[in-house]
Parts: sequence; structure tokens; C-alpha cells
Amino acid sequence: GAGVSQSPSNKVTEKGKDVELRCDPISGHTALYWYRQSLGQGLEFLIYFQGNSAPDKSGLPSDRFSAERTGGSVSTLTIQRTQQEDSAVYLCASSSSGSQNEQFFGPGTRLTVL
Amino acid sequence: GENVEQHPSTLSVQEGDSAVIKCTYSDSASNYFPWYKQELGKRPQLIIDIRSNVGEKKDQRIAVTLNKTAKHFSLHITETQPEDSAVYFCAASGTGYSTLTFGKGTMLLVSP
Repeated sequence: GAGVSQSPSNKVTEKGKDVELRCDPISGHTALYWYRQSLGQGLEFLIYFQGNSAPDKSGLPSDRFSAERTGGSVSTLTIQRTQQEDSAVYLCASSSSGSQNEQFFGPGTRLTVL
Repeated sequence: GENVEQHPSTLSVQEGDSAVIKCTYSDSASNYFPWYKQELGKRPQLIIDIRSNVGEKKDQRIAVTLNKTAKHFSLHITETQPEDSAVYFCAASGTGYSTLTFGKGTMLLVSP
């Protein structure tokens, strides 16, 4: 079956612009996660959705970052007024329910802020 | 919150040798410990996980051990092969809706 997909695969933007990153989870997966991975770094947790609600958004680095999920499916991560330090690979993952089930990752969106 | 430390950050071995990666965690309530493998340019994939009701789990050449008293767990890879070369991440999670906390990763290089 189809795995987790993300779009765009690559995004180059200018400092100060807003960007939207999209994640399509595996059908039926109620849990959805966003992570950020900088070059040579680990997986930095950003936000977790269970259904359409976000029980844990503690990893969002600033109020320029926001995310929403609609219909218990697609999620969008928005970064406003992008900064060069926002450059990273943004990974989305989904799981059947909660964090104690296997998380299936998408291919990521590589964001470059010039 | 949970804090996961992972060592070493890089590990080089010869093909056929064993490799061991160690992680410690801080939250005694954590009870689920997965390991993910990320090959260069690819997405992370789960390779093995262990829950706190067991001390060891094995799957072919890989095994994971857990010491809840000491709050550490380890990944063991035997008879390493070049295709084992990747970054390995450990993680820890509690019950309910708690999230996974990942270690910073170990880059394993297996030389032929």
C-alpha cells in the first residue's frame, strides 16, 4: 500500500518568506508527527497529532512555526518569516495509534532558506 | 521531559565484526524503546523495538538489551556487513499519548 508522502521534496525560499510543507499519512493512521533533521543531527521532535488535535506541540521552536491537521488525514506545517536557521529536512511520520507503535516516515522536505 | 543520550556518535568496524550502540534515558516511566536505521539519503525505518516487560529481544543478526534499573538499552549487531552502514537512532517513549524522544544517532561504517 501507499506509504507516507510529503510535498514538496525540495523547497528553496528567501529569508522572510512563508512556506507550507504537506504530509499525507498512511490511510487509517490516527497519529502524525513532525520532526526536523539538520545536517548530521538527530531527529528533533516538533509536534504530534492524534486525530485532528495536537496533544503535544512542545517541540515547535518559535511562534513562527504552526501546524494543522484536517479530516484526521493531511497535515500542513507552516513556517512564517523564514530564517536561515530554519534550513533542514522536515520529516513527517505516522503510526496506527500513539507513540508505542511503529512510526512510518515520509521521504522528507528539504528546506533551504537563502 | 525525557532525555536520551546515545554513544558513540560514530563507529567504524571491519566486516564480520560486532557493533554495539548504547543509549541511556532519564524518565523511569518510559517503557518502549525502538531503534531506527537511516541509510544515506533515505527515511528512517524501524529495525527492532523492545518493551519494558522483557530484557532482551533478538531478530537474526540484531539484538537489543534493556536494563530498566540502570535506565540503559543497547543495540547489538553481529557479523556486520557493508549494507549495515547507516545512522542508527535509539528512542524512548512512555505510555499513552507521550511522544518518542530520539537520541542523536550513531553513524556506523562497516568496511569490507
